[in-house]
Amino acid sequence: EMQLVESGGGLVQPGGSLRLSCAASGFTFSDYPINWVRQAPGKGLEWVSYLSRESSTIYYADSVKGRFTISRDNAQKSLYLQMDSLRAEDTAVYYCVRESSTPGDYSLDVWGQGTTVIVSS
Amino acid sequence: SYELTQPPSVSVSPGQTARISCSGDILSIQDGYWYQQKPGQAPVMVIYKDNVRPSGIPERLSGSRSGTTVTLTISGVQAEDEADYYCQSADSGGIYRVFGGGTKLTVL
Repeated sequence: EMQLVESGGGLVQPGGSLRLSCAASGFTFSDYPINWVRQAPGKGLEWVSYLSRESSTIYYADSVKGRFTISRDNAQKSLYLQMDSLRAEDTAVYYCVRESSTPGDYSLDVWGQGTTVIVSS
Repeated sequence: SYELTQPPSVSVSPGQTARISCSGDILSIQDGYWYQQKPGQAPVMVIYKDNVRPSGIPERLSGSRSGTTVTLTISGVQAEDEADYYCQSADSGGIYRVFGGGTKLTVL
């Protein structure tokens, strides 16, 4: 069974930092680009960041650019999101999401169960 | 900015057909994708590349396109179809992944 399992969420003060992790199993992790997508309480889905298979291409949403850093360790089958200078509006469930490996296909076909980040004093 | 516009809500009776639209300029260049999210659960992809259904998704869910609008159609709606539905695409350069605001489907 293909699976993504996030961890690392929690309560953090504004201006603080947090590092999310995502562990993959059931598929060849290094074959796929991976994204982070978040969902604020009661709100819709918001794409956060994209990382290519070999970490050669990285994209960020404007709302997190300069504050968040995405990375991966293919040997450990893991994805990470370093979140710095956190703001109240970063409060959300963060999902690790696999994207299709086919160029031009933006299918987000495997989702983790999410980890909750709360930014509050 | 890149935007995808969906109706906030759609309501249908069991057995009827529900249609959820998603419109945006980026759909003139890129394909549309659809996700179903039930309360407390992660989203699940139900349609990709406008009209392709992943394995395991019921045949009553289908996708179509007309110009810069993609539509998710659920035929013979069942109670279990009640959920939030999100469309998604990408900008012309394939940099930004973009979601619509979501549509809450209510089965009366």
